[in-house]
Amino acid sequence: EAQVTQNPRYLITVTGKKLTVTCSQNMNHEYMSWYRQDPGLGLRQIYYSMNVEVTDKGDVPEGYKVSRKEKRNFPLILESPSPNQTSLYFCASSPLGSEKLFFGSGTQLSVL
Amino acid sequence: AQTVTQSQPEMSVQEAETVTLSCTYDTSESDYYLFWYKQPPSRQMILVIRQEAYKQQNATENRFSVNFQKAAKSFSLKISDSQLGDAAMYFCAYRSYYNTDKLIFGTGTRLQVFP
Repeated sequence: EAQVTQNPRYLITVTGKKLTVTCSQNMNHEYMSWYRQDPGLGLRQIYYSMNVEVTDKGDVPEGYKVSRKEKRNFPLILESPSPNQTSLYFCASSPLGSEKLFFGSGTQLSVL
Repeated sequence: AQTVTQSQPEMSVQEAETVTLSCTYDTSESDYYLFWYKQPPSRQMILVIRQEAYKQQNATENRFSVNFQKAAKSFSLKISDSQLGDAAMYFCAYRSYYNTDKLIFGTGTRLQVFP
């Protein structure tokens, strides 16, 4: 089944403890992206990648890192999480140039 | 920069009735895509309907249809014969035809459906 898999679905952590949210797609998509969703703000792009080893900042990249060493994986790294990074996170992918995005099922992160 | 505005934070509708969710956007581009996504309590992002800006004909998917007014930069979603399962957060989104690096989302409209 074609899908974007995010893990974990829920995560509670404490300020400053490094964490990684994984994202994997099995559709051989070139494009992958991370969004965060906050009440009253909608979804905002954090980082995106057009292909392996090619990443770029979105609208709200501060406090996040990403890597794209393999086509299928696009992990989101929070080196030193802070409470303002408490949010719902989505990974998405698509073939390059396609307008249709495939979303993961989301990761609810709480930073205490 | 492009922006998407949803001015209705919450809407409600009675089962079997029709409801329209509003969305306006701002862009200087002539070619783009517009989308409506549904987010039920499961948090999944479900594509409801999409519209290519170069098409004058309004998109329709079963009970869901859009009113696309390109000159007015308006893209409303009409849900006919509303069902309890339509209760969700609805997001309007924009994607450039040429710069496909991201979707730009509105702030969302929460739709309640009453029996």
